[in-house]
Amino acid sequence: QSALTQEASVSGTVGQKVTLSCSGNSNNIGSYAVGWQQQISHGAPKTVMFGNSLPSGIPDRFSGSKSGTTASLTISGLQPEDEADYYCSTWDSRLSAWVFGGGTKVTVL
Amino acid sequence: EVQLVESGGGLVQPGGSLRLSCAASGFTFSQYWMTWVRQAPGKGLEWVANISQDGSEKAFVDSVKGRFTISRDNAKNSLYLQMSTLRDEDTAVYYCAHFRLHSSGYYFFDYWGQGTLVTVSS
Repeated sequence: QSALTQEASVSGTVGQKVTLSCSGNSNNIGSYAVGWQQQISHGAPKTVMFGNSLPSGIPDRFSGSKSGTTASLTISGLQPEDEADYYCSTWDSRLSAWVFGGGTKVTVL
Repeated sequence: EVQLVESGGGLVQPGGSLRLSCAASGFTFSQYWMTWVRQAPGKGLEWVANISQDGSEKAFVDSVKGRFTISRDNAKNSLYLQMSTLRDEDTAVYYCAHFRLHSSGYYFFDYWGQGTLVTVSS
C-alpha cells in the first residue's frame, strides 16, 4: 500500500487536457512539495515537475499544483509521446522516508 | 550532460550479497545528495536509501535497514549500494538518482540512471 494515492489510469485524446491527482496527508503532501516522474515503457524514470516548476527541457504543456494534501499534474494538450506511467513523490516526516504514489498509467487514445 | 550509469546487478541466491555501483558525470558529484530507488517487476517505484554530499548522513527504508549500506567516493564520482542477506522481495531494477535542492527550498529527485537488475532466486 503506497503512502500516496494515485488513479490507476487516465486516458485522453490528442490535444485534450488531462489531470492526474496524488493524495496524501499532513505528514507528506500537506508539508512538502511534490515531484512528478514520467516512466515510458518501464524505462528510466524522468522528472517532469518540481512542485509547480518545470525542469529544463520539459514542455510547458506540463504543469503542477497543490491544494492541501492533494497534488496534481496537468497535461494541457496531450501528445502521443506523453503515454507513460506517472509517479508522484515527496518526503514523509512521520515515516522519515521518501514516498511514491502507486503510479498512474496515461493512455493516449 | 548529466549521466548516471549503474552496474553490478545480477542473479544472486537468497541470503547472498551484491554491490551496486553508480558512475556519475556531467555535474559536480560532491555537491549533491544521492539516492537509490528500486522497482520490483510490474510494481511502482520505492525509495531505498540516500546519502549526503560528504557521506555523513544516510537514511534507509525500513525494509532494508541493517542489510543494505550506502556509500560514495567523491574522488571517483561514484555511488555504491552494498546489499547483504538478500531476499526474494529485493528482486528489482535499482536506479541511482540525484537530488536537487530547488529554489523553492525543497529537495526533489532529479536525474536518473538507466537502472541495473538484481534478481534474488535459488
